[in-house]
Amino acid sequence: SAVISQKPSRDICQRGTSLTIQCQVDSQVTMMFWYRQQPGQSLTLIATANQGSEATYESGFVIDKFPISRPNLTFSTLTVSNMSPEDSSIYLCSVDSQWPPQYNEQFFGPGTRLTVL
Amino acid sequence: QKEVEQNSGPLSVPEGAIASLNCTYSDRVSQSFFWYRQYSGKSPELIMSIYSNGDKEDGRFTAQLNKASQYVSLLIRDSQPSDSATYLCAVSGTASKLTFGTGTRLQVTL
Repeated sequence: SAVISQKPSRDICQRGTSLTIQCQVDSQVTMMFWYRQQPGQSLTLIATANQGSEATYESGFVIDKFPISRPNLTFSTLTVSNMSPEDSSIYLCSVDSQWPPQYNEQFFGPGTRLTVL
Repeated sequence: QKEVEQNSGPLSVPEGAIASLNCTYSDRVSQSFFWYRQYSGKSPELIMSIYSNGDKEDGRFTAQLNKASQYVSLLIRDSQPSDSATYLCAVSGTASKLTFGTGTRLQVTL
Protein backbone atom coordinates (compact mmCIF):
# COMPACT_ATOMS: atom_id res chain seq x y z
CA SER A 1 0.00 0.00 0.00
CA ALA A 2 0.99 3.64 -0.43
CA VAL A 3 3.08 5.43 2.19
CA ILE A 4 1.18 8.47 3.46
CA SER A 5 2.63 11.30 5.51
CA GLN A 6 0.93 14.27 7.15
CA LYS A 7 2.28 17.55 8.44
CA PRO A 8 2.12 18.73 11.12
CA SER A 9 1.64 15.70 13.34
CA ARG A 10 0.16 17.91 16.03
CA ASP A 11 -0.41 21.56 16.76
CA ILE A 12 -1.89 23.82 19.41
CA CYS A 13 -3.58 26.89 17.97
CA GLN A 14 -5.41 29.95 19.21
CA ARG A 15 -9.07 30.45 18.39
CA GLY A 16 -9.73 32.57 15.33
CA THR A 17 -6.59 31.42 13.52
CA SER A 18 -6.25 28.95 10.64
CA LEU A 19 -4.12 25.84 10.19
CA THR A 20 -3.20 24.10 6.95
CA ILE A 21 -2.57 20.36 7.09
CA GLN A 22 -0.59 18.67 4.35
CA CYS A 23 -0.97 15.12 3.08
CA GLN A 24 1.71 13.59 0.87
CA VAL A 25 1.57 10.16 -0.80
CA ASP A 26 4.55 8.33 -2.27
CA SER A 27 2.64 7.26 -5.39
CA GLN A 28 -0.11 8.67 -7.57
CA VAL A 29 -3.60 7.97 -6.28
CA THR A 30 -6.99 8.71 -7.75
CA MET A 31 -8.97 9.47 -4.64
CA MET A 32 -7.92 11.33 -1.51
CA PHE A 33 -10.20 11.94 1.44
CA TRP A 34 -10.17 14.04 4.59
CA TYR A 35 -11.73 12.79 7.83
CA ARG A 36 -12.19 14.20 11.29
CA GLN A 37 -12.11 12.15 14.47
CA GLN A 38 -13.30 14.08 17.49
CA PRO A 39 -12.20 12.90 20.95
CA GLY A 40 -13.65 9.51 21.75
CA GLN A 41 -15.60 9.43 18.50
CA SER A 42 -15.45 7.59 15.22
CA LEU A 43 -14.36 8.98 11.87
CA THR A 44 -16.48 11.44 9.92
CA LEU A 45 -15.79 12.19 6.28
CA ILE A 46 -15.25 15.90 5.65
CA ALA A 47 -14.70 15.85 1.90
CA THR A 48 -13.26 14.09 -1.10
CA ALA A 49 -10.30 15.94 -2.60
CA ASN A 50 -10.58 15.91 -6.38
CA GLN A 51 -7.53 16.55 -8.53
CA GLY A 52 -8.08 19.54 -10.79
CA SER A 53 -11.51 20.45 -9.45
CA GLU A 54 -13.25 21.56 -6.28
CA ALA A 55 -13.53 19.18 -3.38
CA THR A 56 -16.80 17.40 -2.73
CA TYR A 57 -18.02 18.20 0.79
CA GLU A 58 -20.22 16.09 3.01
CA SER A 59 -23.30 17.40 4.74
CA GLY A 60 -22.35 19.70 7.58
CA PHE A 61 -18.99 20.72 6.14
CA VAL A 62 -18.45 23.81 3.96
CA ILE A 63 -15.65 25.09 1.81
CA ASP A 64 -15.31 28.37 3.69
CA LYS A 65 -14.51 26.51 6.90
CA PHE A 66 -12.48 23.65 5.40
CA PRO A 67 -10.91 24.74 2.10
CA ILE A 68 -9.11 21.88 0.36
CA SER A 69 -6.54 21.87 -2.39
CA ARG A 70 -5.46 18.95 -4.59
CA PRO A 71 -2.86 20.29 -7.03
CA ASN A 72 -1.68 16.85 -8.21
CA LEU A 73 -2.16 13.12 -7.71
CA THR A 74 0.19 12.84 -4.72
CA PHE A 75 -0.60 15.86 -2.55
CA SER A 76 -3.53 17.56 -0.83
CA THR A 77 -4.05 20.17 1.86
CA LEU A 78 -6.89 20.80 4.29
CA THR A 79 -7.21 24.17 5.99
CA VAL A 80 -9.20 24.55 9.19
CA SER A 81 -10.27 28.20 9.16
CA ASN A 82 -11.29 30.57 11.93
CA MET A 83 -10.80 27.84 14.49
CA SER A 84 -12.79 27.38 17.68
CA PRO A 85 -12.27 24.86 20.50
CA GLU A 86 -14.91 22.66 18.85
CA ASP A 87 -12.45 22.08 16.00
CA SER A 88 -10.11 20.23 18.32
CA SER A 89 -9.87 16.83 16.66
CA ILE A 90 -7.62 14.45 14.85
CA TYR A 91 -7.64 15.16 11.12
CA LEU A 92 -6.82 12.23 8.87
CA CYS A 93 -6.21 11.94 5.18
CA SER A 94 -6.77 8.69 3.37
CA VAL A 95 -6.17 7.36 -0.13
CA ASP A 96 -7.88 4.65 -2.09
CA SER A 97 -6.05 1.52 -3.10
CA GLN A 98 -5.24 1.49 -6.76
CA TRP A 99 -6.12 -2.12 -7.41
CA PRO A 100 -8.69 -3.49 -7.65
CA PRO A 101 -10.29 -0.05 -8.02
CA GLN A 102 -13.86 -1.18 -7.43
CA TYR A 103 -13.20 -2.43 -3.92
CA ASN A 104 -12.76 1.03 -2.36
CA GLU A 105 -10.11 0.04 0.17
CA GLN A 106 -8.72 3.11 1.92
CA PHE A 107 -5.47 3.57 3.77
CA PHE A 108 -4.92 6.30 6.31
CA GLY A 109 -2.14 8.69 7.06
CA PRO A 110 -0.84 9.07 10.63
CA GLY A 111 -3.17 11.97 11.39
CA THR A 112 -2.81 15.53 12.69
CA ARG A 113 -3.85 16.13 16.29
CA LEU A 114 -5.21 19.66 16.58
CA THR A 115 -5.94 21.43 19.85
CA VAL A 116 -7.63 24.84 19.76
CA LEU A 117 -7.42 26.99 22.87
CA GLN B 1 -30.52 7.23 12.23
CA LYS B 2 -27.07 5.71 12.38
CA GLU B 3 -25.97 4.04 9.17
CA VAL B 4 -23.39 1.69 10.68
CA GLU B 5 -23.90 0.39 14.20
CA GLN B 6 -21.50 -1.35 16.53
CA ASN B 7 -21.58 -2.18 20.21
CA SER B 8 -19.16 0.26 21.83
CA GLY B 9 -17.98 -2.26 24.41
CA PRO B 10 -15.59 -2.70 26.01
CA LEU B 11 -15.57 -6.34 24.99
CA SER B 12 -13.35 -8.23 27.36
CA VAL B 13 -12.00 -11.67 26.41
CA PRO B 14 -9.28 -13.78 28.03
CA GLU B 15 -6.05 -14.43 26.18
CA GLY B 16 -6.41 -17.35 23.79
CA ALA B 17 -10.19 -17.02 23.44
CA ILE B 18 -12.19 -16.03 20.38
CA ALA B 19 -13.30 -12.40 20.17
CA SER B 20 -16.47 -11.76 18.18
CA LEU B 21 -17.18 -8.25 16.94
CA ASN B 22 -20.43 -7.35 15.22
CA CYS B 23 -21.67 -4.61 12.91
CA THR B 24 -24.97 -3.86 11.21
CA TYR B 25 -25.57 -1.38 8.41
CA SER B 26 -28.69 0.25 7.01
CA ASP B 27 -27.88 0.91 3.33
CA ARG B 28 -28.86 -2.13 1.29
CA VAL B 29 -26.80 -1.03 -1.72
CA SER B 30 -23.56 -1.21 0.28
CA GLN B 31 -21.00 -3.21 -1.63
CA SER B 32 -17.74 -3.25 0.33
CA PHE B 33 -17.15 -3.89 4.00
CA PHE B 34 -14.06 -3.29 6.04
CA TRP B 35 -12.64 -3.79 9.50
CA TYR B 36 -10.05 -1.34 10.77
CA ARG B 37 -8.02 -1.65 13.95
CA GLN B 38 -7.12 1.53 15.78
CA TYR B 39 -4.69 1.61 18.67
CA SER B 40 -4.97 4.50 21.08
CA GLY B 41 -3.31 7.59 19.60
CA LYS B 42 -2.81 5.96 16.21
CA SER B 43 -4.62 6.10 12.89
CA PRO B 44 -6.89 3.27 11.66
CA GLU B 45 -5.22 0.28 10.04
CA LEU B 46 -7.10 -1.86 7.53
CA ILE B 47 -7.12 -5.50 8.64
CA MET B 48 -9.92 -7.13 6.66
CA SER B 49 -12.03 -6.44 3.57
CA ILE B 50 -15.00 -8.50 2.43
CA TYR B 51 -17.24 -8.06 -0.59
CA SER B 52 -19.39 -11.18 -0.97
CA ASN B 53 -21.55 -13.23 1.36
CA GLY B 54 -19.81 -15.83 3.46
CA ASP B 55 -16.55 -16.04 5.33
CA LYS B 56 -13.11 -14.70 4.52
CA GLU B 57 -10.14 -15.85 6.56
CA ASP B 58 -6.74 -14.20 6.96
CA GLY B 59 -4.53 -15.69 9.66
CA ARG B 60 -6.29 -15.37 13.01
CA PHE B 61 -8.97 -13.09 11.55
CA THR B 62 -12.23 -14.17 9.90
CA ALA B 63 -14.70 -11.71 8.45
CA GLN B 64 -18.28 -12.84 7.91
CA LEU B 65 -20.81 -11.08 5.69
CA ASN B 66 -24.56 -11.61 5.42
CA LYS B 67 -26.05 -9.06 3.04
CA ALA B 68 -29.62 -10.31 3.52
CA SER B 69 -29.38 -9.54 7.23
CA GLN B 70 -27.16 -6.47 6.63
CA TYR B 71 -24.66 -7.84 9.07
CA VAL B 72 -20.89 -8.15 9.09
CA SER B 73 -18.71 -9.59 11.83
CA LEU B 74 -15.08 -10.09 12.71
CA LEU B 75 -13.77 -13.09 14.61
CA ILE B 76 -10.32 -13.02 16.18
CA ARG B 77 -9.04 -16.44 17.15
CA ASP B 78 -6.43 -17.04 19.82
CA SER B 79 -6.78 -13.46 21.04
CA GLN B 80 -3.57 -11.81 22.22
CA PRO B 81 -3.02 -8.79 24.46
CA SER B 82 -1.67 -7.01 21.37
CA ASP B 83 -5.17 -7.31 19.85
CA SER B 84 -6.47 -4.86 22.47
CA ALA B 85 -7.64 -1.90 20.41
CA THR B 86 -10.75 -0.29 18.99
CA TYR B 87 -12.16 -2.07 15.95
CA LEU B 88 -14.00 0.07 13.44
CA CYS B 89 -16.49 -1.33 10.95
CA ALA B 90 -16.73 0.64 7.69
CA VAL B 91 -19.09 0.31 4.77
CA SER B 92 -18.83 1.63 1.22
CA GLY B 93 -21.38 1.98 -1.54
CA THR B 94 -20.73 2.92 -5.13
CA ALA B 95 -19.15 6.30 -4.47
CA SER B 96 -15.95 5.14 -2.76
CA LYS B 97 -16.89 6.93 0.45
CA LEU B 98 -16.59 5.07 3.72
CA THR B 99 -19.12 5.30 6.52
CA PHE B 100 -17.73 4.23 9.86
CA GLY B 101 -19.36 2.77 12.91
CA THR B 102 -18.52 4.12 16.33
CA GLY B 103 -16.13 1.25 17.02
CA THR B 104 -15.90 -1.57 19.56
CA ARG B 105 -13.18 -1.43 22.16
CA LEU B 106 -11.63 -4.86 22.68
CA GLN B 107 -9.68 -5.74 25.80
CA VAL B 108 -7.75 -9.01 25.88
CA THR B 109 -6.96 -9.96 29.45
CA LEU B 110 -4.09 -12.11 30.69
